[in-house]
Amino acid sequence: DQQVKQNSPSLSVQEGRISILNCDYTNSMFDYFLWYKKYPAEGPTFLISISSIKDKNEDGRFTVFLNKSAKHLSLHIVPSQPGDSAVYFCAASSYSGGGADGLTFGKGTHLIIQP
Amino acid sequence: NAGVTQTPKFRILKIGQSMTLQCTQDMNHNYMYWYRQDPGMGLKLIYYSVGAGITDKGEVPNGYNVSRSTTEDFPLRLELAAPSQTSVYFCASSLAGGRDTQYFGPGTRLTVL
Repeated sequence: DQQVKQNSPSLSVQEGRISILNCDYTNSMFDYFLWYKKYPAEGPTFLISISSIKDKNEDGRFTVFLNKSAKHLSLHIVPSQPGDSAVYFCAASSYSGGGADGLTFGKGTHLIIQP
Repeated sequence: NAGVTQTPKFRILKIGQSMTLQCTQDMNHNYMYWYRQDPGMGLKLIYYSVGAGITDKGEVPNGYNVSRSTTEDFPLRLELAAPSQTSVYFCASSLAGGRDTQYFGPGTRLTVL
């Protein structure tokens, strides 16, 4: 049973436009959410995170929105650039057992930025 | 800082063989993790460690063993390799666990034939 779902395997966006990547979760114990970016043949790298006490977090061109009632979060990239082409993973964490547990990942969305 | 390093980058094993995937971090992080990523899937946690001498199972531990004798190293052992263990394996570390950013290594691509 997937606890973190990314229902779009791929997304194609024109350079300069907004990219919106979506993520849904089912486990109401999750209270911290992260986005990771992954290039081919590399490990994932951290992009941005949000705690469940907030509904928005911004970092430069990247903004994450959290809707707790809908158990939904989204990552907005504005403006999209060619270097943003990568696979984006949504991940979640619950503060149980001292927070030592690893992350629960979605399957990822392959973002393709077209020139 | 090299960050998180993993060796080897690629490996092909025959069914029933064993091997150890190496992971080293130079950031003095307490927490270390092993994940596997199957094609088209997200990463799944195999084992994690909260410090030297302390390890615990994740979501998919069967067929694997780990040890953590130092802060820096967290090797993953595969005994009796099976085709179902064909995957890309990522090691990660973080300073303070669940809330803290995890830093990932480049991965080891393992094929079991």
